[in-house]
Amino acid sequence: NAGVTQTPKFQVLKTGQSMTLQCAQDMNHEYMSWYRQDPGMGLRLIHYSVGAGITDQGEVPNGYNVSRSTTEDFPLRLLSAAPSQTSVYFCASSRKGDTEAFFGQGTRLTVV
Amino acid sequence: AQSVSQHNHHVILSEAASLELGCNYSYGGTVNLFWYVQYPGQHLQLLLKYFSGDPLVKGIKGFEAEFIKSKFSFNLRKPSVQWSDTAEYFCDVNAGNAGNMLTFGGGTRLMVKP
Repeated sequence: NAGVTQTPKFQVLKTGQSMTLQCAQDMNHEYMSWYRQDPGMGLRLIHYSVGAGITDQGEVPNGYNVSRSTTEDFPLRLLSAAPSQTSVYFCASSRKGDTEAFFGQGTRLTVV
Repeated sequence: AQSVSQHNHHVILSEAASLELGCNYSYGGTVNLFWYVQYPGQHLQLLLKYFSGDPLVKGIKGFEAEFIKSKFSFNLRKPSVQWSDTAEYFCDVNAGNAGNMLTFGGGTRLMVKP
């Protein structure tokens, strides 16, 4: 019973590099989202999706892209990494109409 | 847009002390309320949730929370903490008109000294 799987767990990038954080869920959840966690600021929503083919911006979307081609996968792309994107990133999913979220293990990203 | 405030950023307690973590939110309509816990090095896990009914909600590991609508609050309590409760705690609100969108508080880092 995998739940929400994120890869990689750790990543170091140089400023200007691009990369994709992967997120997959096997619970057939319609709703998926990406958060970044920074000290004292809790979790802030980057992007979310209410179903395959539908994505929308959250609170802090700049510098990130997402797509949702399947129900299972919701990758987060950093277009040109900046030190301000150093953070811990969490992917979450939930069933439509049930707001309890299930979280992945997180990705600790450092941009140097 | 709704906001969630957690008043204590860092709390240090000795084992067996009582715990209360404050959480206030700004949305005036129907809400779903959650507390999540993040143990060191782990992902967020649901501690307890309130959707409707009895405003005193009991969760896992002896935690409980009380929804006070008039105060827009959902404080987390535990009568006697253990060293294993050392973690970061997040209050989380879903406004009734926000679909599945969640708004998190800034988190409270709890350290329990043995």
